[in-house]
Amino acid sequence: NAGVTQTPKFQVLKTGQSMTLQCAQDMNHEYMSWYRQDPGMGLRLIHYSVGAGITDQGEVPNGYNVSRSTTEDFPLRLLSAAPSQTSVYFCASSYGTEQETQYFGPGTRLLVL
Amino acid sequence: GENVEQHPSTLSVQEGDSAVIKCTYSDSASNYFPWYKQELGKRPQLIIDIRSNVGEKKDQRIAVTLNKTAKHFSLHITETQPEDSAVYFCAAIKMEYGNKLVFGAGTILRVKS
Repeated sequence: NAGVTQTPKFQVLKTGQSMTLQCAQDMNHEYMSWYRQDPGMGLRLIHYSVGAGITDQGEVPNGYNVSRSTTEDFPLRLLSAAPSQTSVYFCASSYGTEQETQYFGPGTRLLVL
Repeated sequence: GENVEQHPSTLSVQEGDSAVIKCTYSDSASNYFPWYKQELGKRPQLIIDIRSNVGEKKDQRIAVTLNKTAKHFSLHITETQPEDSAVYFCAAIKMEYGNKLVFGAGTILRVKS
């Protein structure tokens, strides 16, 4: 199994540009989520999904959209990038919807100029 | 909602000494408390977890203790080694459908050899 994969590894955007961060898992996990990691602030939940077709907001959802059309994929869309969205983004998945062991992807480092 | 505070934010120990990281949580209904380790430039990975029906859990050199009355739990690392140097995150959740895992801000552990 590849586990949780993310693309790209690194991206530079200009303010106002849009882009999609890709996340996929091959473990048939129901629960998937997106976090951003900023220095001194831990991992903050952006959006999550408890299954295909179901998504919900986390702690910091503004400026981001998600969809879950399949069990495997959970893309994160930045609608109009802002410098405040410069961060490291991690996708994670877990087997059940009760979020026991979460498996993280390798992360995407995003720089918004 | 749940709030998790983690202390200290940085911790330096001499190789071979013990390290203790403490987290407090606000929601007395939380019943699952995982710890994640994140090495520099890598993804967070689960190292140990504890449920509310257990007071202590050990796995070789690491242990976690839980005090439900005081609403705090701690990570103990004995005989620290340079490879223990990393950022450690605690988290808490009431494991039921739709709830969200809340992370502490992290502790940077440096083991000096």
